Amino acid sequence: GIQVEQSPPDLILQEGANSTLRCNFSDSVNNLQWFHQNPWGQLINLFYIPSGTKQNGRLSATTVATERYSLLYISSSQTTDSGVYFCAVELRGSGAGSYQLTFGKGTKLSVIP
Amino acid sequence: EAEVAQSPRYKITEKSQAVAFWCDPISGHATLYWYRQILGQGPELLVQFQDESVVDDSQLPKDRFSAERLKGVDSTLKIQPAELGDSAMYLCASSLALSYEQYFGPGTRLTVT
Repeated sequence: GIQVEQSPPDLILQEGANSTLRCNFSDSVNNLQWFHQNPWGQLINLFYIPSGTKQNGRLSATTVATERYSLLYISSSQTTDSGVYFCAVELRGSGAGSYQLTFGKGTKLSVIP
Repeated sequence: EAEVAQSPRYKITEKSQAVAFWCDPISGHATLYWYRQILGQGPELLVQFQDESVVDDSQLPKDRFSAERLKGVDSTLKIQPAELGDSAMYLCASSLALSYEQYFGPGTRLTVT
């Protein structure tokens, strides 16, 4: 099946710092989503980005599908940004594993005041 | 803003007992997913519905787990009998159709004692 690798696994930032999270995937994808999981376990949609670049406030994301990676940028980090960030991809095609999201193991971000 | 609803939010049960979780997707969403998330890992798909039909249940432990979406709207996931290893977060998600952006509910945190 498709492999999804996220890096770094853990990240500690001072409030106000910028960061880049990476997601590598092993096959062509139909769909790629970034989520933020808050301390209560809720998965919050950040970006639906199978290709290209999107921005939402202090967050932006870029997916280069031909090179099989996506980046999530967090600027001017705040303590409320703490949590786990997941990348999830949907395999292209109609074979086994299609139409479902395969998640990476996540990046645990801690923003300290 | 429309949300995916789940209940209960927390459930503690003894092993060998039966337990059931309920999910109400965003109105109009044809596709519904159940995921299981073990602590420290990303969610993994258990079962996927398109309207009332199962699209993929290859990762559902069918000897003890069952899922239904009888009228193509809300869904129930059941475990009988529960085992200690079933302790996890159970997440429901929905999307407009296959391969569209998925939205997650708040989850049910299950503890089996």
